Amino acid sequence: AQSVTQLDSHVSVSEGTPVLLRCNYSSSYSPSLFWYVQHPNKGLQLLLKYTSAATLVKGINGFEAEFKKSETSFHLTKPSAHMSDAAEYFCVVSDLRTGRRALTFGSGTRLQVQP
Amino acid sequence: GAGVSQTPSNKVTEKGKYVELRCDPISGHTALYWYRQSLGQGPEFLIYFQGTGAADDSGLPNDRFFAVRPEGSVSTLKIQRTERGDSAVYLCASSPTSGGVSDTQYFGPGTRLTVL
Repeated sequence: AQSVTQLDSHVSVSEGTPVLLRCNYSSSYSPSLFWYVQHPNKGLQLLLKYTSAATLVKGINGFEAEFKKSETSFHLTKPSAHMSDAAEYFCVVSDLRTGRRALTFGSGTRLQVQP
Repeated sequence: GAGVSQTPSNKVTEKGKYVELRCDPISGHTALYWYRQSLGQGPEFLIYFQGTGAADDSGLPNDRFFAVRPEGSVSTLKIQRTERGDSAVYLCASSPTSGGVSDTQYFGPGTRLTVL
């Protein structure tokens, strides 16, 4: 069965400093991996996705993530945090082998950006 | 263009009542998904439609939950004999016709259901 573990429930950074949100996945085959962001009272928005092409994936708003199979990780990074980045972030997996389209979400990481 | 819309945005009901939650997917998207997000948790899959048929309903928690999509567009999630534990945000998503597992799912803003 597939699953994701988000290692931090809450991360706090200062504006202008780097962001690192950690995610480890478990999948029996080749996964598709996603990061979604959820701003208060707004719908989930896709930041980026990995689908077995380039291991370094660039997304919107300056975010990127690197797929590391040996570490089963898909950490999300951004060089410089903005106040508008404050939100809940979800690491998500789907399993290419089973073809099952249901997404499996992690429990989320709340990013706080201090001025 | 219009995104996924869900109505109502908030629904308060009493224990034991019946509720219906509606989802309007992005025009032309044949795949439609329902998820449930409890407080402080990530969304959990409930059911997936491809066209009019439920292709995967393995996430429905019990037989009080049912969903339909009669014309392959709008979907309704129905909950009978609601319980306090059903309180959550119910999210709907849609994705394009190719139906691949790596397809992006576009989410609506959700319906917040509160069962008193």
